[in-house]
Amino acid sequence: AQSVTQLGSHVSVSEGALVLLRCNYSSSVPPYLFWYVQYPNQGLQLLLKYTSAATLVKGINGFEAEFKKSETSFHLTKPSAHMSDAAEYFCAVSEYNNNDMRFGAGTRLTVKP
Amino acid sequence: DAGITQSPRHKVTETGTPVTLRCHQTENHRYMYWYRQDPGHGLRLIHYSYGVKDTDKGEVSDGYSVSRSKTEDFLLTLESATSSQTSVYFCAAAQGRGTEAFFGQGTRLTVV
Repeated sequence: AQSVTQLGSHVSVSEGALVLLRCNYSSSVPPYLFWYVQYPNQGLQLLLKYTSAATLVKGINGFEAEFKKSETSFHLTKPSAHMSDAAEYFCAVSEYNNNDMRFGAGTRLTVKP
Repeated sequence: DAGITQSPRHKVTETGTPVTLRCHQTENHRYMYWYRQDPGHGLRLIHYSYGVKDTDKGEVSDGYSVSRSKTEDFLLTLESATSSQTSVYFCAAAQGRGTEAFFGQGTRLTVV
């Protein structure tokens, strides 16, 4: 079955600094990959998704992610962090021939003033 | 929340009692999912459905069952609640494979 591993349960950056959240996936077939964000006491909402079109995917709020098949990675980046980016971020994977969707353990992003 | 409603939003129940959580969607999504969220574990898939009466087990299905008799409703039942099932439960729905999943607001369940 497919799975994702998120490296780093907590990431702290200063406001204006680069944000890098890491995700590696395991899949035997081409995957669909997603990044979701969760603000406190809320459900998850989609930031961006990869579905085998462009390898560099742009999402909402200035986030983007690059699919690297050779590294089985789908890391999330944002050039300049804002205080409002503080949240928990989840990477998720689904396979084109599978009906389920699996999530990673999440990375909590803290943004320092 | 794209029309995903979970009920109840909060529940406290006693060990050994059955509990049913309801997820209702208004967008006619084919796929529906139940996850539990626990610190350090992220979201773990309990069960999912890919159509009316079509369901399958996820990563942590022991002690849980589901039913989907209508497109819009997906029920999660804890057959005999245990303290280890204290968690926040999220329902999600998606149009198809590889499409965006829309999440409900979650149900906080405490088993005492």
